[in-house]
Amino acid sequence: QKEVEQNSGPLSVPEGAIASLNCTYSDRGSQSFFWYRQYSGKSPELIMSIYSNGDKEDGRFTAQLNKASQYVSLLIRDSQPSDSATYLCAVNAGDSNYQLIWGAGTKLIIKP
Amino acid sequence: GAVVSQHPSRVICKSGTSVKIECRSLDFQATTMFWYRQFPKQSLMLMATSNEGSKATYEQGVEKDKFLINHASLTLSTLTVTSAHPEDSSFYICSASFRINTEAFFGQGTRLTVV
Repeated sequence: QKEVEQNSGPLSVPEGAIASLNCTYSDRGSQSFFWYRQYSGKSPELIMSIYSNGDKEDGRFTAQLNKASQYVSLLIRDSQPSDSATYLCAVNAGDSNYQLIWGAGTKLIIKP
Repeated sequence: GAVVSQHPSRVICKSGTSVKIECRSLDFQATTMFWYRQFPKQSLMLMATSNEGSKATYEQGVEKDKFLINHASLTLSTLTVTSAHPEDSSFYICSASFRINTEAFFGQGTRLTVV
């Protein structure tokens, strides 16, 4: 059974600090990794995608991938109260299909 | 990014009636779409995979006769909740990707309340 694990939180971070969200996955054959943000009552929206080992930066967000350790993380710099949401990690299911395997999500709270 | 549109955004129906939810890919063709259900404060739960021109694939524990899925074209999948009951009240979300192993784009979601 392919799995994606996340700490459910809540993770509480002061405004302006760096928020660090972590995710591990079980399938070594996974090739595509995604971070989504979900506000309460809304559908998920894509924040970052990463496909190769290393860091990928986009504004205040940095995704980090380590395939050897089967670990992907998301760093949010200069955290804002508007970043408070649930962050979902998703990994492709492999086998050349469209399905993503989802983590349960980490609830992030940015305290003013 | 690609756009997936879902309607209605909210629906209230009486117990025993059926409700149809539409999911459209507006700027790409989607041979595969996914339907999720999410209860309050819980994670996304995949219900079924909708395949254009063929039968949907349901996850274990999801009643295929209750949750009817039709994917008649490359841009439209529908989910019909038949004989709805209060326990079917939930947030239903569809998603689609335009290439294998790439990101999923989500519809806006449908808040279903069965009274």
